[in-house]
Amino acid sequence: QKEVEQDPGPLSVPEGAIVSLNCTYSNSAFQYFMWYRQYSRKGPELLMYTYSSGNKEDGRFTAQVDKSSKYISLFIRDSQPSDSATYLCAMSGNSGNTGKLIFGQGTTLQVKP
Amino acid sequence: GAVVSQHPSRVICKSGTSVKIECRSLDFQATTMFWYRQFPKQSLMLMATSNEGSKATYEQGVEKDKFLINHASLTLSTLTVTSAHPEDSSFYICSARGPVIYGYTFGSGTRLTVV
Repeated sequence: QKEVEQDPGPLSVPEGAIVSLNCTYSNSAFQYFMWYRQYSRKGPELLMYTYSSGNKEDGRFTAQVDKSSKYISLFIRDSQPSDSATYLCAMSGNSGNTGKLIFGQGTTLQVKP
Repeated sequence: GAVVSQHPSRVICKSGTSVKIECRSLDFQATTMFWYRQFPKQSLMLMATSNEGSKATYEQGVEKDKFLINHASLTLSTLTVTSAHPEDSSFYICSARGPVIYGYTFGSGTRLTVV
């Protein structure tokens, strides 16, 4: 079993839809949770950064962390074609600079005009 | 915000030659940088953790004599692919741990093609 599981998709939605992306994990030591967006042939770009459980909102994006269920989500409201990309969840259990990130497989999202 | 610059963005080399990829943190100091490899439509695979002033820590299965990592300063880490073979062709990405609010910042990646 992988430490972090993420449905690779692809996920295709119409413009304006609400998108829900999810990851589950098995390591209860994870405390830092991140969502990255990666366009083709580019490095990942940090979207959301959350510590421990709770919700965090930034514009059209909302990240949720439920440590009791070992489940994290990213919601995208009013999705746009420019949101079409691969979304990677990532997590770490170490607060120091040497903490390694463990990534999910990434979900490919396509938003159709 | 935190910026990581990675060069070159694309390189083609012949089998048997070596290629160096640079990763620089432009506006912050990074005592630790990470090197990843990514195959098409797959997630990032951590290759090694690069520590300033000391030897890199390699993940299991990664050949340290083939993938040489040097972290000579607080803003620069390099990955050298030695005696490259076609199977080394991949997308290589570096990242650095910036201020907490920024999490981990990634470079734009290097597409290596070995012919």
